Amino acid sequence: AQSVTQPDIHITVSEGASLELRCNYSYGATPYLFWYVQSPGQGLQLLLKYFSGDTLVQGIKGFEAEFKRSQSSFNLRKPSVHWSDAAEYFCAVGARQAGTALIFGKGTTLSVSS
Amino acid sequence: ETGVTQSPTHLIKTRGQQVTLRCSSQSGHNTVSWYQQALGQGPQFIFQYYREEENGRGNFPPRFSGLQFPNYSSELNVNALELDDSALYLCASRLTSGSSDTQYFGPGTRLTVL
Repeated sequence: AQSVTQPDIHITVSEGASLELRCNYSYGATPYLFWYVQSPGQGLQLLLKYFSGDTLVQGIKGFEAEFKRSQSSFNLRKPSVHWSDAAEYFCAVGARQAGTALIFGKGTTLSVSS
Repeated sequence: ETGVTQSPTHLIKTRGQQVTLRCSSQSGHNTVSWYQQALGQGPQFIFQYYREEENGRGNFPPRFSGLQFPNYSSELNVNALELDDSALYLCASRLTSGSSDTQYFGPGTRLTVL
């Protein structure tokens, strides 16, 4: 079955501390992987994506993610968290073929403490 | 700013009614997808339209239907509304071509069914 697992429902990080959000996937085809962020009452903003090539991808707002095929993981990292990073983060997997959809995890809520 | 807009922002309906949600995609994007995001969950794929034809559908009943128009706008129609249809409805547009295939999400329409 195709699925995305985000094991951490809620994470609290101190401002300035590092962050890692976990994502594991199960997908039959070559995966395209994404991280989206959603602020309260808002739509989804793309942070970064992995299609092929270098397994460490850089995104917006200082985020990066590393694709590890052997572990079926695509963890999101940031070296120093800012209070404005507090939001809901979603990992998603999809395929290149037309008609295929993105499969999302249930999300991780990030709180930032001062 | 993704260039994808949705209307209305919020909507309240009663059980059994019908609703139409609208989405305006980025110019040139030939594919639009609709997702339902229930409270506390990740988005779930409803269906996708490619060049005005439905070419993918998730596990949603036929009372969820859609249209895509040549001017890059689209509609999601839901008949016989049920309480469980209360959710944030997101549309996402993309240009399916080459090696890059990224979906850009609109801000969503919050539907409440009473």
